[in-house]
Amino acid sequence: NAGVMQNPRHLVRRRGQEARLRCSPMKGHSHVYWYRQLPEEGLKFMVYLQKENIIDESGMPKERFSAEFPKEGPSILRIQQVVRGDSAAYFCASSPPISGTEAFFGQGTRLTVV
Amino acid sequence: GDSVTQMEGPVTLSEEAFLTINCTYTATGYPSLFWYVQYPGEGLQLLLKATKADDKGSNKGFEATYRKETTSFHLEKGSVQVSDSAVYFCALRMDYGQNFVFGPGTRLSVLP
Repeated sequence: NAGVMQNPRHLVRRRGQEARLRCSPMKGHSHVYWYRQLPEEGLKFMVYLQKENIIDESGMPKERFSAEFPKEGPSILRIQQVVRGDSAAYFCASSPPISGTEAFFGQGTRLTVV
Repeated sequence: GDSVTQMEGPVTLSEEAFLTINCTYTATGYPSLFWYVQYPGEGLQLLLKATKADDKGSNKGFEATYRKETTSFHLEKGSVQVSDSAVYFCALRMDYGQNFVFGPGTRLSVLP
């Protein structure tokens, strides 16, 4: 059973471009979480999704950021018109629909805005 | 809302020293509790977990006991190694369908 797969691992975008980050959860996992981590800082929650539904997006900036988890295919975190402050590591995690289970993390996508 | 507090880092220890990283939580019920570890350049890995009061999670020499009366889940290891140098995150989850809540992380450096 492959782990949580994120791609790309590294992404460089110029200011104003769009960044699209992909996350394939572990097999059988219907819950996906996205977090942002700045260098030397902790995890900042962004959004929690189940298949085709956003459960909690309280950590998502109101502008330029969106996330989806379609019925088929990976979860996508989309950042439009990127700015230098968006440079960070973005981590995806997934969990099965069972109480008491942990979240499994991907290796992250490191976004650099130049 | 639910929250997790961890001791401030960085923590610097000599090899074979005893480690304690404090973690306390605030929650309206009885959450599941987790410790994660993050090595440089990598994602978070589950270190151990406990799902009910008085449970003890253990893995790779690390232990933590779920203390309902003190709302704590302190991480301990009897003898740390240089390879334990990493950032440690305490986390909780209230129930199925709820989000995971992470503490700010504690950086541990172990010197040879």
